Amino acid sequence: QVQLVESGGGLVKPGGSLRLSCEVSGFTFNDYHMSWVRQAPGKGLEWLSHIKDNDRSVQYADSLKGRFTISRDNAKNSLYLIMNSLRAEDTAIYYCARRQRVLKKATRGTTVVDFYYYYMDVWGRGTTVIVSS
Amino acid sequence: DIVMTQSPLSLPVTPGEPASISCRSSQSLLHSNGYNYLDWYVQKPGQSPQVLIYLGSNRASGVPDRFSGSGSGTDFSLKITRVEAEDVGIYYCMQSLQTPLTFGGGTKVEIK
Repeated sequence: QVQLVESGGGLVKPGGSLRLSCEVSGFTFNDYHMSWVRQAPGKGLEWLSHIKDNDRSVQYADSLKGRFTISRDNAKNSLYLIMNSLRAEDTAIYYCARRQRVLKKATRGTTVVDFYYYYMDVWGRGTTVIVSS
Repeated sequence: DIVMTQSPLSLPVTPGEPASISCRSSQSLLHSNGYNYLDWYVQKPGQSPQVLIYLGSNRASGVPDRFSGSGSGTDFSLKITRVEAEDVGIYYCMQSLQTPLTFGGGTKVEIK
């Protein structure tokens, strides 16, 4: 069955670093784009980053300001999030999510074109990061 | 960034009755391909989020047909035709038209 299991969270001091991992099973990892989303205590969801299947295209939330790096190792069926210069406001549950790809058709004048849409269809249980002195 | 605003914040519902959640975006989510880049997720108590609706009105696999999404441009809604006890949770809309992907603040659905 499809599973995503995050690990690597813990208690870290402000300014410290952590590497989160997300190990997947039950599907062909290198066929899918992947995302990281976090949830601060008692707060809503915040998208952080996503990475394409080929590892060549990544995007980040501006708020991360270069402190976080997403990567993947398709041979190990794993997604990573390296977090540097951690702050108290980074305290959150960090979820990895698979981005499902769906093929849709759109009409442009007399032409029908195909396009892919991506949405987060499977989520892990999350790993908790606490940044505190 | 596109700001997503949901209402109400809290929605007490009676089992068997309908429920509706509104989501408004600060910019149109209508792509040039004619689709609205808007998803709905629910986070049930103690669980991770799960997708309900993508592209504004497409139910994800396994989602009961009592859930439906509608709307276009900047105004969207999620409707539950007959609420069941298992539907309690926090519902989020999310735009995927442009990065950063942004979520609404959430609507907490609870049973009266």
